[in-house]
Amino acid sequence: GENVEQHPSTLSVQEGDSAVIKCTYSDSASNYFPWYKQELGKRPQLIIDIRSNVGEKKDQRIAVTLNKTAKHFSLHITETQPEDSAVYFCAATNGGSQGNLIFGKGTKLSVKP
Amino acid sequence: KAGVTQTPRYLIKTRGQQVTLSCSPISGHRSVSWYQQTPGQGLQFLFEYFSETQRNKGNFPGRFSGRQFSNSRSEMNVSTLELGDSALYLCASSLRNGYGYTFGSGTRLTVV
Repeated sequence: GENVEQHPSTLSVQEGDSAVIKCTYSDSASNYFPWYKQELGKRPQLIIDIRSNVGEKKDQRIAVTLNKTAKHFSLHITETQPEDSAVYFCAATNGGSQGNLIFGKGTKLSVKP
Repeated sequence: KAGVTQTPRYLIKTRGQQVTLSCSPISGHRSVSWYQQTPGQGLQFLFEYFSETQRNKGNFPGRFSGRQFSNSRSEMNVSTLELGDSALYLCASSLRNGYGYTFGSGTRLTVV
């Protein structure tokens, strides 16, 4: 089955800097890669996703890139703000009836003012 | 529209007891998945239901079970609770398995 590795486990940046979180996946059939943000005591919320037919997707200050050949994808946050502080999870699935969403172990991002 | 609703929000149980958690998905969502979240292990997949059928199951012991009703509401049950079952249990619903999950707020289970 699918296995998703996520790095780093913790990341501390200064406000205004960029943050990058990287994930690798094992199942070449995976075709959907979402990112979730979980603030302390709250539910995970989908912030951006990408499908395997697209190499990059942007939404304001966040972007995701996908390298299917290397089986890795990354989350980029630019101009970080204190409210970006949270745990970020990457995930992967092949989307079929047997394709469950498998998550990485998370990255705790701290943005220092 | 209403989000994913999980009840109860908090539970304290004693070792050996059993517990039932409930999840009401977003209206129209037929896929419901359950995850166990612990600090060290992240989000671990328990099982997924679609149209009252369990299609997938994660690597958890048989003490963990679930079901889905005709209105797509789902329940999960844990029997013979162990201290290690203490966790946040999250359910997520979607139109299609794996895509665009919306999570509930979770049930925080503490086993003492």
